[in-house]
Amino acid sequence: DVKVTQSSRYLVKRTGEKVFLECVQDMDHENMFWYRQDPGLGLRLIYFSYDVKMKEKGDIPEGYSVSREKKERFSLILESASTNQTSMYLCASSLRGVGEQFFGPGTRLTVL
Amino acid sequence: AQTVTQSQPEMSVQEAETVTLSCTYDTSESDYYLFWYKQPPSRQMILVIRQEAYKQQNATENRFSVNFQKAAKSFSLKISDSQLGDAAMYFCASSSGYALNFGKGTSLLVTP
Repeated sequence: DVKVTQSSRYLVKRTGEKVFLECVQDMDHENMFWYRQDPGLGLRLIYFSYDVKMKEKGDIPEGYSVSREKKERFSLILESASTNQTSMYLCASSLRGVGEQFFGPGTRLTVL
Repeated sequence: AQTVTQSQPEMSVQEAETVTLSCTYDTSESDYYLFWYKQPPSRQMILVIRQEAYKQQNATENRFSVNFQKAAKSFSLKISDSQLGDAAMYFCASSSGYALNFGKGTSLLVTP
């Protein structure tokens, strides 16, 4: 079974802090994704990566950056956290091209 | 921008009955995929069913089936013999390059 893990289920940070959300997949998938999930808004794509060191902006990249130094790991970085970044963050991966995405359990981030 | 619309924020069904969740999408791609994902309360998002747009035959997975109307850009999900474990948020998604566009979700309540 594909396993996608995220470093934290719950995270509380202060405004202005630098925040790292880590995601690891164990199935040698080419593609990895970061989504933000908010009630009534569904899932919105922040960034995705189709190869190591490659990244593409999604629909809402402002205030975020990403890093993919190894194939299995995709990090989401909030350079200076703000209260409007309080949300559920979901990581996903897919084998290659367009295909089924496998999701991690999510990280619920609260920025105070 | 490509969009996915789920017009029913909430639906309710009795155990053993059938329910249909609606989804319409807008895409400029000639070859694309459509998905239904399920997110149980506090649990991971999982794939329910997928449909390749070039296939005319509607996809079926056990009690889950779709009604894919390509010309109308409609992709509804039918759940037969509903079970308590079907209670969840259901998200419709269409492919967009490597990524997916998600609808805002439909919350399905299953009553005994």
